[in-house]
Amino acid sequence: GAVVSQHPSWVICKSGTSVKIECRSLDFQATTMFWYRQFPKQSLMLMATSNEGSKATYEQGVEKDKFLINHASLTLSTLTVTSAHPEDSSFYICSAQPPQRAMNTEAFFGQGTRLTVV
Amino acid sequence: DAKTTQPTSMDCAEGRAANLPCNHSTISGNEYVYWYRQIHSQGPQYIIHGLKNNETNEMASLIITEDRKSSTLILPHATLRDTAVYYCIVSLRGLTGGGNKLTFGTGTQLKVEL
Repeated sequence: GAVVSQHPSWVICKSGTSVKIECRSLDFQATTMFWYRQFPKQSLMLMATSNEGSKATYEQGVEKDKFLINHASLTLSTLTVTSAHPEDSSFYICSAQPPQRAMNTEAFFGQGTRLTVV
Repeated sequence: DAKTTQPTSMDCAEGRAANLPCNHSTISGNEYVYWYRQIHSQGPQYIIHGLKNNETNEMASLIITEDRKSSTLILPHATLRDTAVYYCIVSLRGLTGGGNKLTFGTGTQLKVEL
């Protein structure tokens, strides 16, 4: 099946610094990728939709200046958490779907990135 | 997207069938039912999806009621490795070609025990 890879799997950073998380579709091109956040014992919450070649679409309540998304190529989207604070500590997950013309149109998820801000 | 409701948790003995229910009474005619699962500290994994017919693959079976207001995911022979949170999601099927965002509910924590 299709593979979506995230890097890093986990990261610890100091409060006030920025962290970049990469999401790659390894064997298909993705014009759209999605970024989710998951706090402990809670469900996944969609943060934003990453669109190749254009601005990302953010969900209500998600600060676009804090969570910078760049989708510069058809196989890579990045999420940068700027000026990170302890409350940004969470599990960040990306997903992408193969193009419509493919037989399978389910979403494939990265393995997630555990961010801890100290 | 239509909202779904699932039991918070379920237990199942290893080797037995696990039947996970989901209610989606507000589903619209062109929305599919998707099931994903999330093993602890991993990204969600696709299991199966369907529109109105029952579906089966190597992982599970999906039974959708005739009125499409509810469905059941069946893991025929649950193993310890099936312990996970199972999410039932209703969504359009990638009609835009770029994928559709998924709205995750609270899911069902399935615990498979010896």
